Amino acid sequence: EPEVTQTPSHQVTQMGQEVILRCVPISNHLYFYWYRQILGQKVEFLVSFYNNEISEKSEIFDDQFSVERPDGSNFTLKIRSTKLEDSAMYFCASSTVRHEQYFGPGTRLTVT
Amino acid sequence: DAKTTQPPSMDCAEGRAANLPCNHSTISGNEYVYWYRQIHSQGPQYIIHGLKNNETNEMASLIITEDRKSSTLILPHATLRDTAVYYCIVRVAGVGGNTPLVFGKGTRLSVIA
Repeated sequence: EPEVTQTPSHQVTQMGQEVILRCVPISNHLYFYWYRQILGQKVEFLVSFYNNEISEKSEIFDDQFSVERPDGSNFTLKIRSTKLEDSAMYFCASSTVRHEQYFGPGTRLTVT
Repeated sequence: DAKTTQPPSMDCAEGRAANLPCNHSTISGNEYVYWYRQIHSQGPQYIIHGLKNNETNEMASLIITEDRKSSTLILPHATLRDTAVYYCIVRVAGVGGNTPLVFGKGTRLSVIA
C-alpha cells in the first residue's frame, strides 16, 4: 500500500539554524500539507500546497517558514531560523482531490 | 477552532464494541464528518468519513443522526492495537476542496485486556 514518507525521523538543531524537513507524498496525490504537533498539544495545520503554490496557510506559518516541491516527488518544509518553540513533531500529508488525507510518520524536530 | 465536542477519554474491554460519540451541532450542509486516530506519536490515520448516510468500511462504522448534529464511530471488536486518540472532524470536501483538517483534543480510547 502506498504511503507518505518523511526524513529525517529526528532532527536536532541549534536555535537560529535553518532546517529542511523532507516528505515524499503518495505519487498520484495532488494536494500536500504540513501539520505540526507540539508535545502534549493538538495537531495544528501549517500550510497546504497545490499546483506549485500555497493554497492556504495558518497564522503559525510566518515568514520563517517556506515550502517547496523541488521536483516531481519531494515536498519540503524549511524553517529559516529556528526558535525553541519550533520544537515539535512535523507531519506531512497528501490527498487526492476530494477526501481523506494520508499522513506520514512525522519528523521530530528538537531545537536546543 | 474545532467544531466538534468529544469526551476526553473512554475505556473499552478487548473484543467488545467501542462506541465513540461526537457532537457537531453547528455542522453545515456541505460539511462531512471525518474520523482519524493517532496511535501514540504516529501520524494521524484516516478511518472513515460520511455526509449523512451511515458508512462502514473494514476498520469501522459511522452512524450519523438524521439531523446530522452528532455521530458515533463504532469499532466492532476492539483490540489492544486500537488504543489511540480518536478525532472527529467536520470539513468541507469536494472537487478543488483541499481545506485543512482542524483537530481538537479528541477522545483517548484505552482498550483493556
